[in-house]
Amino acid sequence: EIVLTQSPGTLSLSPGEGATLSCRASQSVTSSFLAWYQQKPGQAPRLLIYGASSRATGIPDRFSGSGSGTDFTLTISRLEPEDFAVYYCQQFGNSPPMYIFGQGTKLEIK
Amino acid sequence: QVQLQQSGPGLVKPSQTLSLTCAISGDSVSSNSAAWNWIRQSPSRGLEWLGRTYYRSKWYNDYAVSVKSRISINPDTSKNQFSLQLNSVTPEDTAVYYCARGRSWSYYDFWGQGTLVTVSS
Repeated sequence: EIVLTQSPGTLSLSPGEGATLSCRASQSVTSSFLAWYQQKPGQAPRLLIYGASSRATGIPDRFSGSGSGTDFTLTISRLEPEDFAVYYCQQFGNSPPMYIFGQGTKLEIK
Repeated sequence: QVQLQQSGPGLVKPSQTLSLTCAISGDSVSSNSAAWNWIRQSPSRGLEWLGRTYYRSKWYNDYAVSVKSRISINPDTSKNQFSLQLNSVTPEDTAVYYCARGRSWSYYDFWGQGTLVTVSS
């Protein structure tokens, strides 16, 4: 079974800075099945990135995704106050069908 | 715009059945390009996919191995909604439960508002 490990667990940054969040898979995964979500307290997760690098509808271009194989990255350039939240990566596996989430990275205001 | 509206009790007794419903607007539960999922979130287990139902000329279901023996997800085409039933619940099933639309077998683009379900006597 694939395990997704996100790092760091917590990232403390200031508005205006850039953020780099990592998602590492325990085995090579299909890039088209890798997604990123943002979650704020009391809210459902919101889709940011799908297919490893495609932005979802309405997502600002300061959010970008990259990576392949076992290593994937979510980059946020020029942090805005509303970007401080928890971020999750997610992968779909086909045998048997299942969806796996990472444990999350909390992006907090420094 | 797709909207998912969840309903169901927030408190379930141990050994009983957890039942939630997700009403869909802006799409169809019979869509040939979507799958309808249940996901839960707890501090101990994080985000955990439970299962899905989808229609591709006939109805299909997939369930997570961890709950496969006691879960059922069913579509209701007359009301354009789908439901979750989880049997024989224990306090470990306490979580926020979400319904979500799945696309391209890989991601969830619309989510319900979440329902906190507590398993307690």
